[in-house]
Order: sequence, then structure tokens, then C-alpha cells
Amino acid sequence: DTGVSQDPRHKITKRGQNVTFRCDPISEHNRLYWYRQTLGQGPEFLTYFQNEAQLEKSRLLSDRFSAERPKGSFSTLEIQRTEQGDSAMYLCASSLGDRSTQPQHFGDGTRLSIL
Amino acid sequence: AQRVTQPEKLLSVFKGAPVELKCNYSYSGSPELFWYVQYSRQRLQLLLRHISRESIKGFTADLNKGETSFHLKKPFAQEEDSAMYYCALLETSGSRLTFGEGTQLTVNP
Repeated sequence: DTGVSQDPRHKITKRGQNVTFRCDPISEHNRLYWYRQTLGQGPEFLTYFQNEAQLEKSRLLSDRFSAERPKGSFSTLEIQRTEQGDSAMYLCASSLGDRSTQPQHFGDGTRLSIL
Repeated sequence: AQRVTQPEKLLSVFKGAPVELKCNYSYSGSPELFWYVQYSRQRLQLLLRHISRESIKGFTADLNKGETSFHLKKPFAQEEDSAMYYCALLETSGSRLTFGEGTQLTVNP
């Protein structure tokens, strides 16, 4: 198992364009999380899924952001009409969620740069 | 709202010296605390969690509910410990992690 996989590693786009990122969690993990990290800050929670259900969204997730996990496996995060402030590292994590709390395992992230 | 504070953005020590990375939190419920580490050009990875009460790579951390702290300690720092360290709090619901801003530890030879 290679752990959590994210694609692409880097994305450069012009302001106003739409971008989509993909995350493949660790295969048996039913929970999947998205975080955003800007320079000099720790990761900030965006949203999380348990299987295919999106159970929580942060206020950081504006209406330009949408995340899906259609079959309870991989997930996509789409940003529409990108803005300069969207430039950040987007991290995906997964965990095995049951009655006990299992730690979240992170991917390498997708670095988004808005020109 | 929950909050995690790491007061030192940068910490520099010499090899063999003790090191302590500070973490304070505020949370109304019963928190679960973690330390994550990110070595140069590597992904964020779990270092330790308070409920495990174990020592990883010589590091330990004790949850002090009275002082709302979860400081990370190592008695003898090694050069390979140089990395960015993040303290994180998991809500009771077991969903979101709230991270501190991180402390960049440099261990000098």
C-alpha cells in the first residue's frame, strides 16, 4: 500500500479557471478528509466524508468549492472561478472510522498556484 | 471554538541537548491530541497521540488538562529530528483535526 495518493502534485492556472484535484485514500479507509494549508500556517479543515456521505463542511468551503466521493473510494475537490486567495497546498487524509478513533494519514498534497 | 497554539515558530538546539516544543489548546470537550511531523520534502506523518502514551523516536508528550497543554519533549535531540512539528486536536466527534501553526525545529551539529 502506497498510502494516500493525490493528483496532480502541482497545478498552475489562471485566475477564473476551474480546477479539480483527485485523492485516492488508503484502500480500507472509510473516512476521507480535505484540508488546505497556506504558507506559514498549519493545515485547515475543509470537509470530510464517511463512505460516500459528506458529513461536515467548514465555513472555509465557499460555494465555489465542491467535493465528491461518489462510490466511497476516491474523492475529487473542484474549485470554480479560482481566485488569487485559493493559492495553497490542498491536503487529503484518510482514516478508518469506527467506534475508536484512528489517526488520519495524509497524502503529499496538491500545490495550487493561481496566476 | 477549539484552538491550538504553538507559541514558537522557530526552535533551534544543539545535538544532544534537550528539546521541548510547546503546545496549548482550548476545547470545551474531552480532546484527543496528536503530534504530526513533516520532514523536508516528505508528507505530514503522525508522530504520536496522547492516548497511546508511548515514546516514538525518543519523543514523549503528556496531556496536562489542568494547564491545557500537550508539550512534546525529547531528552537528547538528534540532527535527524530537524523538521516541522504540528500539534493537532481531534474533536470528540472524531472528524476534524485542528492544527497549530507549527514549530520548525533545527538541531545543529
